[in-house]
Amino acid sequence: DAGVIQSPRHEVTEMGQEVTLRCKPISGHDYLFWYRQTMMRGLELLIYFNNNVPIDDSGMPEDRFSAKMPNASFSTLKIQPSEPRDSAVYFCASSFYPFNEKLFFGSGTQLSVL
Amino acid sequence: AQTVTQSQPEMSVQEAETVTLSCTYDTSESDYYLFWYKQPPSRQMILVIRQEAYKQQNATENRFSVNFQKAAKSFSLKISDSQLGDAAMYFCAYRSFQGGSEKLVFGKGTKLTVNP
Repeated sequence: DAGVIQSPRHEVTEMGQEVTLRCKPISGHDYLFWYRQTMMRGLELLIYFNNNVPIDDSGMPEDRFSAKMPNASFSTLKIQPSEPRDSAVYFCASSFYPFNEKLFFGSGTQLSVL
Repeated sequence: AQTVTQSQPEMSVQEAETVTLSCTYDTSESDYYLFWYKQPPSRQMILVIRQEAYKQQNATENRFSVNFQKAAKSFSLKISDSQLGDAAMYFCAYRSFQGGSEKLVFGKGTKLTVNP
């Protein structure tokens, strides 16, 4: 398996633009997580899915953020409109059930909003 | 809410020496798992070691071992015979599943420098 695949690796956009981050989890994994990493706040859980269903989105900062998982092999995180404070590295991770299983992380998307 | 604290933002060690990274956590749950992840400059998060809370025996993976003190809610990582490739950010993480909700919380990380 190729691991968790995220795209793009880098994204530079202007304030107000829509940004879509993509993730392909490892085949067979039941859980998918979206994390945001910044120097100030570290790794923050934004949302996670279990069997394609969003379970907890309490970490999503605002209504500008939305995430979908239309099928078991694909998820998106969308920011509309983007703001400079959204600049961060966004990670997608997946794992098997149960929760004691380790997370497999993608390489992250470095987002810069100018 | 569960919290994970890594009190050492940065640490350094000489090659071949031993270093210990600290982690404490706060929880009222009895069943949970603890992890150490490594993040090299490539950004890829890599699992280093995992500890089940119900196990008293400390986990070991080659040069990496933990000192798990459940009562003290402490979970430190010891790296023996440090190598240049060990230089990275290290994150302590807590994971549990209770009340139908998954909880996975990371500390803010410790940057480890390995000096030749």
